[in-house]
Amino acid sequence: DIQMTQSPSSLSASVGDRVTITCRASQSISSYLNWYQQKPGKAPKLLIYAASSLQSGVPSRFSGSGSGTDFTLTISSLQPEDFATYYCQQSYSTLITFGPGTKVDIK
Amino acid sequence: QVQLQESGPGLVKPSQTLSLTCTVSGGSISSGSYYWSWIRQPAGKGLEWIGRIYTSGSTNYNPSLKSRVTISVDTSKNQFSLKLSSVTAADTAVYYCARATSTIFGGDWFDPWGQGTLVTVSS
Repeated sequence: DIQMTQSPSSLSASVGDRVTITCRASQSISSYLNWYQQKPGKAPKLLIYAASSLQSGVPSRFSGSGSGTDFTLTISSLQPEDFATYYCQQSYSTLITFGPGTKVDIK
Repeated sequence: QVQLQESGPGLVKPSQTLSLTCTVSGGSISSGSYYWSWIRQPAGKGLEWIGRIYTSGSTNYNPSLKSRVTISVDTSKNQFSLKLSSVTAADTAVYYCARATSTIFGGDWFDPWGQGTLVTVSS
């Protein structure tokens, strides 16, 4: 199995802050990495696919980068609606796996 | 746009079989380069991929659940289904269905998702 880790597991930030979340794969996954946002009681929402492509309708303050084993999700200026949990997901292997999540809350 | 909706019992007894259906609306389940997946999330925990089905009927399952899982598709009803046998309390979770886009250049991603349905395993 390809194991996904995320850091930090949680963070506190203020509106307007630049936030960076890291996702690491246990082996190279090329660019087969996606990011999701999940709010309490809601289904995950696709933000970034193929490591760096912004999903249609997602604000441009979200961006993704990386390839191989190390990836980042950046929120350039945190907005009130961005407080949520963020998950990475790899599809390099037949067994799809998700990271454990990073919870972003209000400082 | 395509929407997905899960349906099925919210309470299942231990050792019985959990059965859920995902109804796809706003588009044909057979169109495009997509496949269809089930994903679950225990309360307060992360996401676990259960398995996928292509409209050809081909399936892949998470090895940790493979012996208990069956995913099927009914293209005439625009639905796909999940059966999980011999359930225990550890199978209590919110179950999501999702459409996956599959590409060579960037892998597979899930969008859209159903709203999710809570299934509790308890006697």
